[in-house]
Amino acid sequence: AQKITQTQPGMFVQEKEAVTLDCTYDTSDPSYGLFWYKQPSSGEMIFLIYQGSYDQQNATEGRYSLNFQKARKSANLVISASQLGDSAMYFCAMREDNYGQNFVFGPGTRLSVLP
Amino acid sequence: DTEVTQTPKHLVMGMTNKKSLKCEQHMGHRAMYWYKQKAKKPPELMFVYSYEKLSINESVPSRFSPECPNSSLLNLHLHALQPEDSALYLCASSQDWTSGRSNEQFFGPGTRLTVL
Repeated sequence: AQKITQTQPGMFVQEKEAVTLDCTYDTSDPSYGLFWYKQPSSGEMIFLIYQGSYDQQNATEGRYSLNFQKARKSANLVISASQLGDSAMYFCAMREDNYGQNFVFGPGTRLSVLP
Repeated sequence: DTEVTQTPKHLVMGMTNKKSLKCEQHMGHRAMYWYKQKAKKPPELMFVYSYEKLSINESVPSRFSPECPNSSLLNLHLHALQPEDSALYLCASSQDWTSGRSNEQFFGPGTRLTVL
């Protein structure tokens, strides 16, 4: 079964607007971490934001915030004030702390920011 | 220094060749990883080294042989590869192989491997 689902293969957003990238996950492990990475066309994976399963507050890092809804098992990434340089692939990933300690990426969403 | 470096950037090899990919970090991280990424797909974990010991081997064929000579270096030795092994090979490191924010992985730029 898919551990991480990203239902939007591609998204478009106008420069300076906000955009939400969806991520749902599946785990029975009570302790896990969720990560978002950005991968530009150059290939390097860039860490954006982290949310732990026991964190009480939604994570924020600059223009990035994570809308964490634990009961719904969703961890959507919100990018505010989009910039042209935000155009890239975005991957949601999960680390299960007890069950196999795997680190699994979702299929990704390609974001294109329009001028 | 918050950088993971990988060499070479590009590699073309024949199916009978032996080559090695190299990865280096100087952040004092004790966990290092190899991933394989095919075009338009997410990275797939291959190996995890924790404190220079192999912790995870995700059923990778023996033609891929990892080596961790010390805490800063990670190699991937390649021998008798197949054309379907052509991919982007990413190296990453993290503080350690535990839970929480310390597991945040820093990635290198990758090596684009083509097997002819």
